[in-house]
Amino acid sequence: GAVVSQHPSWVICKSGTSVKIECRSLDFQATTMFWYRQFPKQSLMLMATSNEGSKATYEQGVEKDKFLINHASLTLSTLTVTSAHPEDSSFYICSADPLRTRTYGYTFGSGTRLTVV
Amino acid sequence: GENVEQHPSTLSVQEGDSAVIKCTYSDSASNYFPWYKQELGKGPQLIIDIRSNVGEKKDQRIAVTLNKTAKHFSLHITETQPEDSAVYFCAANPSGSTLGRLYFGRGTQLTVWP
Repeated sequence: GAVVSQHPSWVICKSGTSVKIECRSLDFQATTMFWYRQFPKQSLMLMATSNEGSKATYEQGVEKDKFLINHASLTLSTLTVTSAHPEDSSFYICSADPLRTRTYGYTFGSGTRLTVV
Repeated sequence: GENVEQHPSTLSVQEGDSAVIKCTYSDSASNYFPWYKQELGKGPQLIIDIRSNVGEKKDQRIAVTLNKTAKHFSLHITETQPEDSAVYFCAANPSGSTLGRLYFGRGTQLTVWP
C-alpha cells in the first residue's frame, strides 16, 4: 500500500512553454502532498505544500506564479511549471502522507526529470 | 527552522562490512526521523524510521539509533551488499510543523565494493 504515482517520469520542453506534472496517490487519500526539487548530487528542497481544496503553501523564495500547484482531489496534485526556462531544469519529486498517521512514512513518487531547452 | 547535518558525504565499504551514517538535528521538538534510499534517477524510498519515544529500531540488516539528548541519530547497515550502493538521506519532522514537512540532510553516497 501507500503508492504514489508521478507522471511523466521525464519531459523535455522548449523555453517559454509550460509543463504539468501529476502526482497521484493510488491506494490512499492524501489531504496534503509535498513538492520537492532536487539538483544533481544535492539534497531535496521543499518547494511547496499542496492542500486539498485550498491554496498551496510555498516555501520562501519559490515563485508561486511560476510553479502553479493544484490539489483538486484527495488523490491528485499537479505542479505546472509555467514559462519554463533552462534554469528550471531539475528533478521534481512529490510525496504524500497516508492517513496522516505516518503508518507508512512519507511516500515519494518516482520523480520527474525536466529538461528545458 | 530545523537544520539537519549529515556525515559523511561519501562512504565506501567492502562487501560484508558495516556502514554507519550519522545525522544531527537542531530542533529539540522534532519527533520523527526517517531514512531514505535514493537510487539514480528515482525517487527516495523509505527504508526505516524512528520516533522520538524510541531509542533504537531494527529491520533485518538495517538499524537506526536515536539520542534525543545529543540530538543525533544514526543509520547502521550490516553485512553490506553491492545493491546497497545508493544515496542515503536522513530527515527530521519537527513536532508542530506541517505533517510531512521534512528537513533533509545533504545525503551520503554509499558505495559497496564487491
